[in-house]
Amino acid sequence: QKEVEQNSGPLSVPEGAIASLNCTYSDRVSQSFFWYRQYSGKSPELIMSIYSNGDKEDGRFTAQLNKASQYVSLLIRDSQPSDSATYLCAVTMNRDDKIIFGKGTRLHILP
Amino acid sequence: DGGITQSPKYLFRKEGQNVTLSCEQNLNHDAMYWYRQDPGQGLRLIYYSQIVNDFQKGDIAEGYSVSREKKESFPLTVTSAQKNPTAFYLCASSIDEERAYEQYFGPGTRLTVT
Repeated sequence: QKEVEQNSGPLSVPEGAIASLNCTYSDRVSQSFFWYRQYSGKSPELIMSIYSNGDKEDGRFTAQLNKASQYVSLLIRDSQPSDSATYLCAVTMNRDDKIIFGKGTRLHILP
Repeated sequence: DGGITQSPKYLFRKEGQNVTLSCEQNLNHDAMYWYRQDPGQGLRLIYYSQIVNDFQKGDIAEGYSVSREKKESFPLTVTSAQKNPTAFYLCASSIDEERAYEQYFGPGTRLTVT
């Protein structure tokens, strides 16, 4: 059974600090990894994708992938109140057409 | 929400009635997907389609049906056989190239069955 695990939170972070969101996955051959942001009552929005070990930076967001340890993380620098949302981790194998989503971590940025 | 539209945004039905949720995309994406999301839960895959006139069951297909007669459209029918149909339904699409698994979501339809 393929699984993607995330801490449900809420994770509370002061405005301006770094928010760190973590995700572990069970399938060792997973190859594609994604972070989605979902505001309450809205649909998920793709914010980061990462395919190889290491860091990938996009603005205030950095995705980190460690395939040996089977975890992927998302760092949000200079956190803003508008970053308050649920962040979904998603994982897929390229041989499989399906994405497995975690249940999400609720992030609350404290003004 | 990009070029993916779902209608209606809210839908109310009586138990025992079939209901069809619309999903249209103008992104020229090959693959389309239907998920349901329940409070505090992740997204669960209902059906997906990689090409026109072909679709596969996801993890929770029982009580649902789909069609893919056009590339742009992937409607989902929630039948009376679905035991607990009240949920937030999300349609997504992805381009069938190197980044095939970057899925983009429509705004969703919130279905309430009483």
